[in-house]
Amino acid sequence: DVVMTQSPLSLPVALGQPASISCRSSQGLVFSDGNTYLNWFQQRPGQSPRRLIYEVSKRDPGVPDRFSGSGSGTDFTLKISRVEAEDVGVYYCMQGSHWPWTFGQGTKVEIK
Amino acid sequence: DVQVVESGGGLVQPGGSLRLSCAASGFTFSSPPMHWVRQAPGKGLQSVAAISGNGLDTYYANSVRDRFTISRDNSKDTLFLYMGSLRPEDMAIYYCVREGKPGTYDFWGRGTPVTVSS
Repeated sequence: DVVMTQSPLSLPVALGQPASISCRSSQGLVFSDGNTYLNWFQQRPGQSPRRLIYEVSKRDPGVPDRFSGSGSGTDFTLKISRVEAEDVGVYYCMQGSHWPWTFGQGTKVEIK
Repeated sequence: DVQVVESGGGLVQPGGSLRLSCAASGFTFSSPPMHWVRQAPGKGLQSVAAISGNGLDTYYANSVRDRFTISRDNSKDTLFLYMGSLRPEDMAIYYCVREGKPGTYDFWGRGTPVTVSS
């Protein structure tokens, strides 16, 4: 299975400050169709996960533009330009290029 | 609006079985692949099983292969997960998830909890 490794696992951030989460895969994530299926999900306390980013950098409708995704090969990053209170939760990267699809361990974002 | 609603979770003894259901609405159910993803208490997420839109192709995580069976009834817009030989480590919230585009989960249900305990 492809191992997804996130860092940090805990991220205290002051309101209005930027935040960055790294995700590294144990194998390249380019699928046979040429796309890279790397996703980012947000899970707020007590809620189901919600997709923020798919195919590395495509933001879902309704997701604030302070969220951005980047990366290639085996190294990917989720950035929040200015953290707001509603961003508190756990963030997961997930690869959908190799079955079984696998998630990172999760990064808990909290307000400092 | 797209909606998927899981049901069938509950308390089961080790070695027992359970069948989860997921009722879908708001989209053409027979089109996208569907998945089950689980989350153990206080833990991360794990893809458990997937099924193609026509139901002919199925995929399983190694940890559940030969014990779980994913299926779908496109005439009733319903996804199923039969879970047999349940183990304490299968205890989790089980989410029904749509693969709206290749390689991604675009819509999640609220989940149904499964407890495996004697």
